[in-house]
Amino acid sequence: SQKIEQNSEALNIQEGKTATLTCNYTNYSPAYLQWYRQDPGRGPVFLLLIRENEKEKRKERLKVTFDTTLKQSLFHITASQPADSATYLCASPGKGNMLTFGGGTRLMVKP
Amino acid sequence: DTGVSQDPRHKITKRGQNVTFRCDPISEHNRLYWYRQTLGQGPEFLTYFQNEAQLEKSRLLSDRFSAERPKGSFSTLEIQRTEQGDSAMYLCASSYQGLNEKLFFGSGTQLSVL
Repeated sequence: SQKIEQNSEALNIQEGKTATLTCNYTNYSPAYLQWYRQDPGRGPVFLLLIRENEKEKRKERLKVTFDTTLKQSLFHITASQPADSATYLCASPGKGNMLTFGGGTRLMVKP
Repeated sequence: DTGVSQDPRHKITKRGQNVTFRCDPISEHNRLYWYRQTLGQGPEFLTYFQNEAQLEKSRLLSDRFSAERPKGSFSTLEIQRTEQGDSAMYLCASSYQGLNEKLFFGSGTQLSVL
């Protein structure tokens, strides 16, 4: 089955810098990957989807890449703000219609 | 508010008791999912409905767990004879059938088993 790995250590960066989060998958190349944001005590919120044949996707200050050779997706937040502090989850379609989530990476943006 | 609604938000119960959670998905969504999440981990898939049919169940879902979606609208998740290991956030999500659909999550029910 598909396994999604994200850095479990929190990422601390200074406001205004670019945050880069990593998502690695271990088995088959998924048709797409999704990224979600989760705030404490809340459910995840969808941010971006990138398909296997897309190398890069952008939305405002967010950018996602998909490298099938490295089996990796990178999630970038440019000009980061304290309000971007949250846990970011990567997800891949698994068996059937379910999504398999990584453990998430907590981002802390300091003013 | 037309998002996914879950009730209750918090539940504290004693070991051995039964608990039931409710999820009201976005009305036009025909797919409904239950996930479980423990602190510091990502959501783990439990089960999935398309309309009223339960199409997939995770091996994580022991016999003590049962989910229903009787009319293809709201869903309930029941845990019988709760154990301390059942303590977690139970998340419901819905989506509309289609290619690459995204999930819309509720705020979850936080279960604490004492």
